[in-house]
Amino acid sequence: DTGVSQDPRHKITKRGQNVTFRCDPISEHNRLYWYRQTLGQGPEFLTYFQNEAQLEKSRLLSDRFSAERPKGSFSTLEIQRTEQGDSAMYLCASSLGVWGGGYTFGSGTRLTVV
Amino acid sequence: GQQLNQSPQSMFIQEGEDVSMNCTSSSIFNTWLWYKQEPGEGPVLLIALYKAGELTSNGRLTAQFGITRKDSFLNISASIPSDVGIYFCAGQNNNDMRFGAGTRLTVKP
Repeated sequence: DTGVSQDPRHKITKRGQNVTFRCDPISEHNRLYWYRQTLGQGPEFLTYFQNEAQLEKSRLLSDRFSAERPKGSFSTLEIQRTEQGDSAMYLCASSLGVWGGGYTFGSGTRLTVV
Repeated sequence: GQQLNQSPQSMFIQEGEDVSMNCTSSSIFNTWLWYKQEPGEGPVLLIALYKAGELTSNGRLTAQFGITRKDSFLNISASIPSDVGIYFCAGQNNNDMRFGAGTRLTVKP
């Protein structure tokens, strides 16, 4: 296992289009997190899954955003009707769910909406 | 938005110098963590602190969990060019992890 994988690494899309990102966590990790990072800022929490259950969603996750983790393994994050303000790095992380344990992050998907 | 105040925002230092950065919060955290991020990559965990007052080292890096549980600092001794990057503090309570805005470190050879 080589860590958390995200695909694609870069995505350029026109405003109004839908985009979908994929995250493959470390196989034995039962918790999966999505974060968004804009230039000059730290990552901001979007949502997290424990196995296939989506347990928490941030207010940042508008109705245009949806995340799934259908079999408790990989996860997808879809953004519908993209806006220029959606341009950011979308980071996925996973953890074993051990109390206080740090997360392992993927390399991210950089989205540019033109 | 960010709940953690991280300072300084950026540092320009000579190779061999020591570096210190810190993070404060209005909230108490059970765990403090420090991450490093390089361009085009995700954050990588450097040090995790689990107990108030704890001082932990990882090579040239030393971090402390403040006694009030509302702050932490990171020191890097004898900096080298590969220390360049953005350092983020993070406070965690269960599955809630919040990040500071980062300290951008530049090391001049």
